[in-house]
Amino acid sequence: SYELTQPPSLSVSPGQTASITCSGDQLGNKGACWYQQKPGQSPVLVIYQDSKRPSGIPDRFSGSLSGNTATLTISGTQAVDEADYYCQAWGSSAYVFGTGTKVTVL
Amino acid sequence: EVQLVESGGGLVKPGGSLRLSCAASGFTFRSYSMNWVRQAPGKGLEWVAYTSRSSNYIYYADSVKGRFTISKDNDRNSLYLQMNSLRAEDTAIYYCARDWVYGSGQGMDVWGQGTTVTVSS
Repeated sequence: SYELTQPPSLSVSPGQTASITCSGDQLGNKGACWYQQKPGQSPVLVIYQDSKRPSGIPDRFSGSLSGNTATLTISGTQAVDEADYYCQAWGSSAYVFGTGTKVTVL
Repeated sequence: EVQLVESGGGLVKPGGSLRLSCAASGFTFRSYSMNWVRQAPGKGLEWVAYTSRSSNYIYYADSVKGRFTISKDNDRNSLYLQMNSLRAEDTAIYYCARDWVYGSGQGMDVWGQGTTVTVSS
């Protein structure tokens, strides 16, 4: 089955840049979305079609795709950005989520 | 306000059945595809099922194929998930999520608050 691999955790200081990677076979031919989930809350779409931001998402969130690796970058990370982040892509007839990355803002 | 509200979760014994509902409001429900996504306690997100806007295309995760059935009632603005032969590993929060066209990369842009399903004897 199709798998997307993310680092389990990432620590970042306030104001610094956090970069979360998502790797998967054929990801370069598909594209990726990214979701933010805070404790006890539902996921929120923060990036779609590799690099587009939905309305209301701060511009410190950006996305990119290079080869089979998608990257979510949070520039000028704030305490409110502390959350779990998931990438998501699709196969021929199934969606798949990445393993998730817990971002801690120290 | 665009909103999705799930209901129908609860405690069920292994082998039992449950039907989840998702009521949509604030948008033209028939114009969108829909998904069910679940999250086991302390675990990550797991996609469960997808239906296109008119139910012409329906897909399931291998883990639920043959046991779960997704359905969409555009007249009632509602999405359903019929879950049969439930197992302990189906214990999770179940979310419904709005989608566009499968494989378009547009993402699931609206999520409900989730409903909890616990499978235990």
